[in-house]
Amino acid sequence: QQPVQSPQAVILREGEDAVINCSSSKALYSVHWYRQKHGEAPVFLMILLKGGEQKGHEKISASFNEKKQQSSLYLTASQLSYSGTYFCGTRAPTAGNMLTFGGGTRLMVKP
Amino acid sequence: DSGVTQTPKHLITATGQRVTLRCSPRSGDLSVYWYQQSLDQGLQFLIHYYNGEERAKGNILERFSAQQFPDLHSELNLSSLELGDSALYFCASSHGGTDTQYFGPGTRLTVL
Repeated sequence: QQPVQSPQAVILREGEDAVINCSSSKALYSVHWYRQKHGEAPVFLMILLKGGEQKGHEKISASFNEKKQQSSLYLTASQLSYSGTYFCGTRAPTAGNMLTFGGGTRLMVKP
Repeated sequence: DSGVTQTPKHLITATGQRVTLRCSPRSGDLSVYWYQQSLDQGLQFLIHYYNGEERAKGNILERFSAQQFPDLHSELNLSSLELGDSALYFCASSHGGTDTQYFGPGTRLTVL
């Protein structure tokens, strides 16, 4: 069962902030975040490990609530280059440690 | 550039045909994963190989098969192709079986 991402799409103006959520019904080992531009390969952003770690990558950070099996990706002061589809991938011990991806969140940043 | 290479970049073929997609993992990576992404859809896991052995299978059709060779490159074979098989096929690699996966540029398959 794949994780659920919300929202499905979001439109921002340059400089605005956004939050993308990822929820799983299973206990998780880790959550992996990727960004994909249209027709290109998904690019790894960061990994969140069990333990509630919060990690950052420039102006993009994320958190992982182990109790709720939820992760959130925070994009602050968005730039045009942030446009794309964001996928969360979850790894769960009950899923054979495969990485299962959510349906994606389309982010469009306008000037 | 992730260091993962895939060939060919584009492939156009007819229904009923068979094709082979090739993937070379990053230097030092032992795991190779194959994913299918249909138009504007998510990433569907197909299969995982680790150091030549099959480790996990996802929603892979019986018409599809894969293998990983001693030099660690992998091939995904798709046979009896149908229109619905048209998609982007990505290969990803990681060092171990649970590490971060890095994706190749993909092969765009069009079945006419």
